[in-house]
Amino acid sequence: NAGVTQTPKFRILKIGQSMTLQCTQDMNHNYMYWYRQDPGMGLKLIYYSVGAGITDKGEVPNGYNVSRSTTEDFPLRLELAAPSQTSVYFCASSPLTSAKTQYFGPGTRLLVL
Amino acid sequence: AQKITQTQPGMFVQEKEAVTLDCTYDTSDPSYGLFWYKQPSSGEMIFLIYQGSYDQQNATEGRYSLNFQKARKSANLVISASQLGDSAMYFCAMREGKTGGYQKVTFGTGTKLQVIP
Repeated sequence: NAGVTQTPKFRILKIGQSMTLQCTQDMNHNYMYWYRQDPGMGLKLIYYSVGAGITDKGEVPNGYNVSRSTTEDFPLRLELAAPSQTSVYFCASSPLTSAKTQYFGPGTRLLVL
Repeated sequence: AQKITQTQPGMFVQEKEAVTLDCTYDTSDPSYGLFWYKQPSSGEMIFLIYQGSYDQQNATEGRYSLNFQKARKSANLVISASQLGDSAMYFCAMREGKTGGYQKVTFGTGTKLQVIP
């Protein structure tokens, strides 16, 4: 199994540009999450989803949008990139029946200049 | 108040010794879970151990154990017989809410552990 995959691994954006960070999991997990990790800090929850068609805001949702049209995919959209969005973005998933762990993707490093 | 507090920004431990990484949490939700993750310099997040709020016994996973003191709201990670490969950032996290419903996950700021040969 591939687990949780994220693309791209690294991206440089100019201020005001938009992009979509892709996240796919092949474990049929209901829960999916997007986090950002700023340098030297812990992870902060941006958005999460409990299943296809159901999403909710986390701690730091401003400047981001998500959608969940399938169980497998949970893309994160940045509409107008700002330098404050420079960070490492992690996608994670967990099964509905057991929230004992989250399976993390390898992360996407985003630099906004 | 911080949801998750890790008061040790950095720790050193001698190889083969045990080390305790501190974590305190704050929640009014009766149903919650506590996690520890390891983040090596390569950047990936590696799940180590989980403790549910209703679990009667402390969780153990190999060399990792979680010292869960519910009344004190602490969930310290104990690593026995430290190895050089244990050098990494360690994050404590808390999930609030019931399985199948709303869930919020909060991470601490991390502790950088360095194992000395």
